[in-house]
Amino acid sequence: GESVGLHLPTLSVQEGDNSIINCAYSNSASDYFIWYKQESGKGPQFIIDIRSNMDKRQGQRVTVLLNKTVKHLSLQIAATQPGDSAVYFCAERDFGNEKLTFGTGTRLTIIP
Amino acid sequence: KAGVTQTPRYLIKTRGQQVTLSCSPISGHRSVSWYQQTPGQGLQFLFEYFSETQRNKGNFPGRFSGRQFSNSRSEMNVSTLELGDSALYLCASSLGSGNSPLHFGNGTRLTVT
Repeated sequence: GESVGLHLPTLSVQEGDNSIINCAYSNSASDYFIWYKQESGKGPQFIIDIRSNMDKRQGQRVTVLLNKTVKHLSLQIAATQPGDSAVYFCAERDFGNEKLTFGTGTRLTIIP
Repeated sequence: KAGVTQTPRYLIKTRGQQVTLSCSPISGHRSVSWYQQTPGQGLQFLFEYFSETQRNKGNFPGRFSGRQFSNSRSEMNVSTLELGDSALYLCASSLGSGNSPLHFGNGTRLTVT
């Protein structure tokens, strides 16, 4: 049918605060998950990934939490900076398969 | 290490024409995937190539095709363009093992008039 435009959830966070971006995934067979950041005019940039045998993974200023019971993924960004303003996507993948299924994305705006 | 490179960055075509987009993967990456991004449908998987073979294909019409060369560089072609093909076309590369992340280029913005 005709596309009406995806309604992107938005999140506004004060600079310096922590932010949490949530994602619900659909495929219980997915066992590899990735978070991407997309800035205007650019392609998605890899942030962090996690396999289904883990429930938490930390990177630099970012933490990903995975709850397989409720098929939920979250990305926590600590001490947000203006450069964190972007659209954030979660993506899921069946192990051994290169195809990614993306969520609709969340627009994060950092308020100075 | 250079990232994924896509050319051209912008294209304007007319309905009915065809177009070829190019992608150079990260050195050492053998898998190249293509995605279409639109405001209405988000990011949709087109196809994936590994060692010159298409391993996976999304739900797009046959007008969308691709290929991969022996140096892992890839091209995608869209024939008989329609207005609805206007989109950002993204290429991603990975090691192709199924457990490493995809790294994306900045895309080709295609406008069909």
